[in-house]
Amino acid sequence: AQSVTQLGSHVSVSEGALVLLRCNYSSSVPPYLFWYVQYPNQGLQLLLKYTTGATLVKGINGFEAEFKKSETSFHLTKPSAHMSDAAEYFCATNFGNEKLTFGTGTRLTIIP
Amino acid sequence: DAMVIQNPRYQVTQFGKPVTLSCSQTLNHNVMYWYQQKSSQAPKLLFHYYDKDFNNEADTPDNFQSRRPNTSFCFLDIRSPGLGDAAMYLCATSRENLYQETQYFGPGTRLLVL
Repeated sequence: AQSVTQLGSHVSVSEGALVLLRCNYSSSVPPYLFWYVQYPNQGLQLLLKYTTGATLVKGINGFEAEFKKSETSFHLTKPSAHMSDAAEYFCATNFGNEKLTFGTGTRLTIIP
Repeated sequence: DAMVIQNPRYQVTQFGKPVTLSCSQTLNHNVMYWYQQKSSQAPKLLFHYYDKDFNNEADTPDNFQSRRPNTSFCFLDIRSPGLGDAAMYLCATSRENLYQETQYFGPGTRLLVL
């Protein structure tokens, strides 16, 4: 079955350090890929998405992700973590249909 | 600002007592979705409407129903809530029913079943 896998259910980084959240997909066709963020007791907010074209995608709040077909990855990065980045992050895809399939999520903790 | 609104934000109900959660949108989107999200889990799609067309997920229990009386509003009815139905319920919308469309989420309603 086609899916996305998020490596690491919990990630902790120091304030000011690089944030790297990993997402790998399994698909025989080019997927559409999304990163959503969820703050406590809130809905999900789109950070960025990859559909076609440029493989390096820039999103909101300083986040970006690179689509690497050879590695079947779409990892999310931010050069310098801020306390306000603490949240749950979900990678998602729809593999050519209208329904989103979410990864299991990564909880990001920022250490002061 | 255009948005997706969910009311109430917190809902307490009793075991077996019907409950309705509401969602409204000012985005004028064609598609509205309902997700169930349990603690520390990914959202799980229950069903969605494309305009008036209802699309139920195969594994959504019959206990869950939905209504969409017009473009702006969509309701989730839980006919006989069980303890296992305690969760966050998320409403989302998208402009069209296309692969690359962004889904816009409301803040969610947290349901507690006593």
